[in-house]
Amino acid sequence: DIQMTQSPSSLSASVGDRVTITCRASQRISSYLNWYQQKPGKAPNLLIYATSTLQSGVPSRFSGSGSGTDFTLTISSLQPEDFATYYCQQTFSSPWTFGQGTKVEIK
Amino acid sequence: EVQLLESGGGLVQPGGSLRLSCTASGFTFSNYAMNWVRQAPGKGLEWVSAIYGGGGSTYYADSVKGRFTISRDNSKNTLYLQMNSLRAEDTAVYYCAKDLVEYGSSFSFDFWGQGTLVTVSS
Repeated sequence: DIQMTQSPSSLSASVGDRVTITCRASQRISSYLNWYQQKPGKAPNLLIYATSTLQSGVPSRFSGSGSGTDFTLTISSLQPEDFATYYCQQTFSSPWTFGQGTKVEIK
Repeated sequence: EVQLLESGGGLVQPGGSLRLSCTASGFTFSNYAMNWVRQAPGKGLEWVSAIYGGGGSTYYADSVKGRFTISRDNSKNTLYLQMNSLRAEDTAVYYCAKDLVEYGSSFSFDFWGQGTLVTVSS
């Protein structure tokens, strides 16, 4: 199975900050990498698929980059509604594994 | 508007069985692969199972293979997960999730249900 490792596991940031979350795959996965946002008690929400394609309706302050084994999710200017947990997911091979999550908290 | 509504969760004893359902609306159900993803309390996400739009191909995580069965009834716009030989470690919120891609599968999940809690305990 492909292991997905996110860093950091949690971070504290202020509104307006630029935030970067990293996801590393245990083997090369080309660009088969998604990002989800999950708020407490809610289902996850797809933000970015295929490394850098913004899902419909997702604000442009979210962006994704990377290839191979190393990927990043960037929030250019953190907004109050962005405080949540973020998960990466690889869709290169079954089983379709997720990272352990990165919790973004208010500083 | 796409809607996915899970049902069938509850408390079950170890070794017991449960069948989850997910009723879909707002899209052509038979054109999309569907998935089950679970989340243990306070933990991360784990993909469980997938089924293609026509129902001919299914996939399972090793942790549930041989115990869980995914199926669908396209005439009823409903996805199922039959769970047998349940274990404590199967305790989780189970989400059904729609595939992003029509007429194929990307295993990217663009719509999710609200989830149904399965608790395995004596």
